[in-house]
Amino acid sequence: DGGITQSPKYLFRKEGQNVTLSCEQNLNHDAMYWYRQDPGQGLRLIYYSQIVNDFQKGDIAEGYSVSREKKESFPLTVTSAQKNPTAFYLCASSLTGVTNSPLHFGNGTRLTVT
Amino acid sequence: EDQVTQSPEALRLQEGESSSLNCSYTVSGLRGLFWYRQDPGKGPEFLFTLYSAGEEKEKERLKATLTKKESFLHITAPKPEDSATYLCAVLETSGSRLTFGEGTQLTVNP
Repeated sequence: DGGITQSPKYLFRKEGQNVTLSCEQNLNHDAMYWYRQDPGQGLRLIYYSQIVNDFQKGDIAEGYSVSREKKESFPLTVTSAQKNPTAFYLCASSLTGVTNSPLHFGNGTRLTVT
Repeated sequence: EDQVTQSPEALRLQEGESSSLNCSYTVSGLRGLFWYRQDPGKGPEFLFTLYSAGEEKEKERLKATLTKKESFLHITAPKPEDSATYLCAVLETSGSRLTFGEGTQLTVNP
């Protein structure tokens, strides 16, 4: 069964620690994305990657980093430089980039930083 | 700057009571408008893509329509299982990323 797997579902960290969120897809999609969702706000794009070994900043990239070493994997690191890291993080993929195909989302990771 | 506004923020319906959700957008040129459904604690699930004014798409009790300035998601005779947050997103002609609205939280009571 193809899909996107995000892990863990819930993550708790102390302020000042970096944390990495996992995203794996077996849909053979070229493009992958990270979004952040906060109450009362629309999804905001953090980073996206349209091909292996290449990625671009989204609208709110500060305090985050990504890598795309494999087609299937697009991990997101939330660094200590991110001022308000507590949020629901969603990973998505699309066949060839959002211009041509809809996004498929994982079920998210809820990060709480105290 | 692209803007997407969804209304109402929240909507409560009785089972069988039809209604519509609105998505208004401001873009220089529309390449596509997307509707998603999101259940609590889950990722959004794709419903429809609309590309041009006058286009309509249907799926079970849902029908999405598009004009030059807005899209409607019509829900006919809703059931409790239709309760979810419905998100719309637009893609500008020259853009490579979606702009999402804040969503409408729909609750259908039995």
